[in-house]
Amino acid sequence: QVQLVQSGTGVKRPGASVKISCEASGYTFTSYAMHWVRQAPGQRLEWMGWINAGSGHTKYSEKFQGRVTITRDTSASTAYMEVSSLRSEDTAMYYCARDLIPGGYELWGMDYWGQGSLVTVSS
Amino acid sequence: QSALTQPPSVSGSPGQSVTISCTGTSSDVGRYNRVSWYQQPPGTAPKLIIFGVSDRPSGVPDRFSGSKSGNTASLTISGLQAEDEADYYCGSSASNSAWVFGGGTKLTVL
Repeated sequence: QVQLVQSGTGVKRPGASVKISCEASGYTFTSYAMHWVRQAPGQRLEWMGWINAGSGHTKYSEKFQGRVTITRDTSASTAYMEVSSLRSEDTAMYYCARDLIPGGYELWGMDYWGQGSLVTVSS
Repeated sequence: QSALTQPPSVSGSPGQSVTISCTGTSSDVGRYNRVSWYQQPPGTAPKLIIFGVSDRPSGVPDRFSGSKSGNTASLTISGLQAEDEADYYCGSSASNSAWVFGGGTKLTVL
């Protein structure tokens, strides 16, 4: 069965960076795009960007362009999302989520989600 | 990329039907038939319940249905049950290979 397992929670200082991993299993990793979505406490889902796991092509939300980097390691079937220059407003649950249609270039939505990684930014 | 517009809250009694709207623009909802809906009970990850405007993943009850007209998509839940109480989000493919979510709607089953 498809599973996405994310790295754990953490507390970071303002100005630091955080890198979250998302290990995929149960499907051909390189055949699907992977999204990253965040949700601040009590707030809405916010799309951050996606990566074509086969080609490595990425696309970021305008809001996060320049501060977020999404990468993947095909040998480990793992996607990564790094956020730099953290501030208190980045305190959120971060999710990876697989796009539901194979191909990796058209976005159709997210069918499998990781369990979430809670990042708290505090001094 | 502005968030899609959803009503903050809707409510209904068990057995009734409710509809949640999701309004975008000609660059997202109006342009693509790649609108999806997600159900998120408190403290859990979102769950896909509708994709491609009106298709249901395996295992999702047919009480959940989706539609679209112009720049507005809609999710209808018929035969409301207590277990349907959750936050609901729409999402859509957008221009320049982007994705956008709605602001979310809290469904209360009275």
